[in-house]
Amino acid sequence: TAGITQAPTSQILAAGRSMTLRCTQDMRHNAMYWYRQDLGLGLRLIHYSNTAGTTGKGEVPDGYSVSRANTDDFPLTLASAVPSQTSVYFCASSDNTLAGGPDTQYFGPGTRLTVL
Amino acid sequence: GQNIDQPTEMTATEGAIVQINCTYQTSGFNGLFWYQQHAGEAPTFLSYNVLDGLEEKGRFSSFLSRSKGYSYLLLKELQMKDSASYLCAVRDSNYQLIWGAGTKLIIKP
Repeated sequence: TAGITQAPTSQILAAGRSMTLRCTQDMRHNAMYWYRQDLGLGLRLIHYSNTAGTTGKGEVPDGYSVSRANTDDFPLTLASAVPSQTSVYFCASSDNTLAGGPDTQYFGPGTRLTVL
Repeated sequence: GQNIDQPTEMTATEGAIVQINCTYQTSGFNGLFWYQQHAGEAPTFLSYNVLDGLEEKGRFSSFLSRSKGYSYLLLKELQMKDSASYLCAVRDSNYQLIWGAGTKLIIKP
């Protein structure tokens, strides 16, 4: 089973350029998330989606946008990249439909982005 | 503000036992998670605690005290493959996960 896939694996991007990070899951999970992970800091939530057609802002949403047109895909777009967006980006998903369940998040392999 | 504290790094010997502590101050509490993350890889789920007490899963156990805002992850019979970072995360009143910076565990032969 694929679980969650992310593309690309890594990317070097010139400042000011736009880029879309792709995330696809095949577990039919309702909820999806985008995090960034920086050295010495915990994972920080950028945007999330509790179900297809809805999105919400996390802790660090500025400079990023998302869409959730269907259950499987949750792309993250950087409209005009800046060097501070250099990070490792993880997509995750969870089944938030089980009442009282842990709603455990499962992560994709990550995209390593460098903005120069 | 919300805060999750874990030691930055710990070292242990193969075959031994190690306890990784996590203290938290969050707006509300709806469960605590432990994840393992090998270098260059994604975090993978280890354990979940929502009630006080100990949850055991093979060589790994996790403990929670909600009144103290405290959890620990206990790893027994350490193996070299256990060298990784261990992430503590708390689900707050908004049902968002707040993450600690992780504890890098180094296992020596």
